[in-house]
Amino acid sequence: QVQLQEAGPGLVKPSQTLSLTCTVSGASITSGDYYWSWVRQPPGKGLEWIAYIHNNGFTHYNPSLKSRLTLSVDSSKNLFSLEMTSMTDADTAVYYCARLLVIPRGDWFDSWGQGALVTVSS
Amino acid sequence: QSVLTQPPSMSGAPGQRVTISCTGSNSNLGTGYDVHWYQHLPGRAPKLIIYSSTNRPSGVPDRFSGSKSGTSASLAITGLQAEDEADYYCQSYDAGLSGSVVFGGGTKVTVL
Repeated sequence: QVQLQEAGPGLVKPSQTLSLTCTVSGASITSGDYYWSWVRQPPGKGLEWIAYIHNNGFTHYNPSLKSRLTLSVDSSKNLFSLEMTSMTDADTAVYYCARLLVIPRGDWFDSWGQGALVTVSS
Repeated sequence: QSVLTQPPSMSGAPGQRVTISCTGSNSNLGTGYDVHWYQHLPGRAPKLIIYSSTNRPSGVPDRFSGSKSGTSASLAITGLQAEDEADYYCQSYDAGLSGSVVFGGGTKVTVL
């Protein structure tokens, strides 16, 4: 059974860069069928997709966040990472990593991490 | 404003049926993209309960069922139980604006 675990700072200052990692266990991140994703949920709001990456390096970003994002994969450690620059209060949220199955008729998330709360505050 | 529209809240007594709607447009559900549903309990990881509009992953009770027609989809919970009290989100793919994975705004289901 695949498990995902987020790790990162709980607190980030405005204008700084957020760095999060997601360690995958129970499955190989090099499995060709899956993409590795980030989703967030601001307090009191719904889910928002951030981006996903394949182990071959292909990335797809939410257009509204694209200019601030960098995703990467470390297959030797079976983990993937997110960097988001220029953090503001609006980026305060629980950040989830998730495994995404991509097929022609649409993609779905079949496994999720427990989430990591990131607060942006000075 | 979410690309997929859901009612903010719904409620039902134990044993009753609740149906949650998810309305999209011609750039997502209307184009033939499937819809997927997640159950989200506070402080927990979201859980996939319906994929490809009508399919249940292994282990999900058959009280949960999904359907899709045109630009709309729905999730039905029959025989409502206290443990079903949660937030429910629909999700699909939108082909507009360079393409995006999109979620509905979520529906809070309360068991009375």
